[in-house]
Amino acid sequence: DAKTTQPPSMDCAEGRAANLPCNHSTISGNEYVYWYRQIHSQGPQYIIHGLKNNETNEMASLIITEDRKSSTLILPHATLRDTAVYYCIVRVFNNAGNMLTFGGGTRLMVKP
Amino acid sequence: DTGVSQNPRHKITKRGQNVTFRCDPISEHNRLYWYRQTLGQGPEFLTYFQNEAQLEKSRLLSDRFSAERPKGSFSTLEIQRTEQGDSAMYLCASSSGRAPETQYFGPGTRLLVL
Repeated sequence: DAKTTQPPSMDCAEGRAANLPCNHSTISGNEYVYWYRQIHSQGPQYIIHGLKNNETNEMASLIITEDRKSSTLILPHATLRDTAVYYCIVRVFNNAGNMLTFGGGTRLMVKP
Repeated sequence: DTGVSQNPRHKITKRGQNVTFRCDPISEHNRLYWYRQTLGQGPEFLTYFQNEAQLEKSRLLSDRFSAERPKGSFSTLEIQRTEQGDSAMYLCASSSGRAPETQYFGPGTRLLVL
């Protein structure tokens, strides 16, 4: 799986959009971008995934650049409960069981 | 979905003791994964099951660790002769196996070895 690079930490004001970047310059054509987050002392929570098109669900939006070498997770109206470590993971698309390889993630602090 | 459940949520044990953790995956999920997470690090893969078959094991899974999923439903992770270095959060995840696969995690079991 391709390696990802994320900033170690970010701050965001409550109610504002949080934009979390991720670089995955070595991504290959059959690899998806997944985002998980982990709130303190809890298990990771799935947020969203995408291949090449932008995706949106009730939690977030995922914007993937046209060359697929980077992506941005957008939390449109961040709340204090969004304070967590956010992990960007790239995984191959196939039907085999595959481990998730977590990097350091971005520690997002939402401030009042 | 009731979500992935793990028991116990916390375990304190003395060095040298054996411990066993249980994971109940989301109903009808045929894949089950175990991960370990130490303080300040991201989760690291330990092993995974497709139904009852254990298909992959990480080098992190020493001989003291054993995992089972006897009927393809719940799974257990046993650590024998625990060491202080085993102190960590043990996470379980399950998936339906349908591509592109999404793994859903449980709350974890936090182990402290004294």
